[in-house]
Amino acid sequence: DVKVTQSSRYLVKRTGEKVFLECVQDMDHENMFWYRQDPGLGLRLIYFSYDVKMKEKGDIPEGYSVSREKKERFSLILESASTNQTSMYLCASSLAGGPVEVQYFGPGTRLTVT
Amino acid sequence: QKEVEQNSGPLSVPEGAIASLNCTYSDRVSQSFFWYRQYSGKSPELIMSIYSNGDKEDGRFTAQLNKASQYVSLLIRDSQPSDSATYLCAVLRAGNMLTFGGGTRLMVKP
Repeated sequence: DVKVTQSSRYLVKRTGEKVFLECVQDMDHENMFWYRQDPGLGLRLIYFSYDVKMKEKGDIPEGYSVSREKKERFSLILESASTNQTSMYLCASSLAGGPVEVQYFGPGTRLTVT
Repeated sequence: QKEVEQNSGPLSVPEGAIASLNCTYSDRVSQSFFWYRQYSGKSPELIMSIYSNGDKEDGRFTAQLNKASQYVSLLIRDSQPSDSATYLCAVLRAGNMLTFGGGTRLMVKP
């Protein structure tokens, strides 16, 4: 059974702090994704990665960066958190060459920036 | 105009009724369409996919696609309280990425 875990369910940070959101998957998936979910806006893709040390910008990468040093771990970094980054963050993984719609999501991290 | 649009709801239906969830998309070249269900506080899960015009049935769920009208819908027959969730429409776009709609919240009342 695929498991995607995220380091925190809830996180409260102050404006200007550097924030790390961690995601780990245990199914040897090549593809990993970071989304944010806001009411009425659905899931929006921030960054994705098809392989170790590889990253690609999604639709809303501004204010974020990512790191993928190991295949199972994909980190989202907010270099200087701002209040408009208060959101639910979802990590997902999928198999390379598999159907793109089959993504396994983590439980999410609800980040509040005050 | 959003790339994928859904009425945010809530859509309220009585138990046993048919729930109809609608989604429109802007990119005419889109070929693949998906419905995800997301329970409150949980992650999205894929429940239906559709690629061709017409209907696709899976149990109580029917996905309908009309590419000419750029319209995709999800019908849930014999709605149950356990169907209460937010339903996300997603479209496969260039670059093999998904674009999600904002979701429709469905409430099925006993």
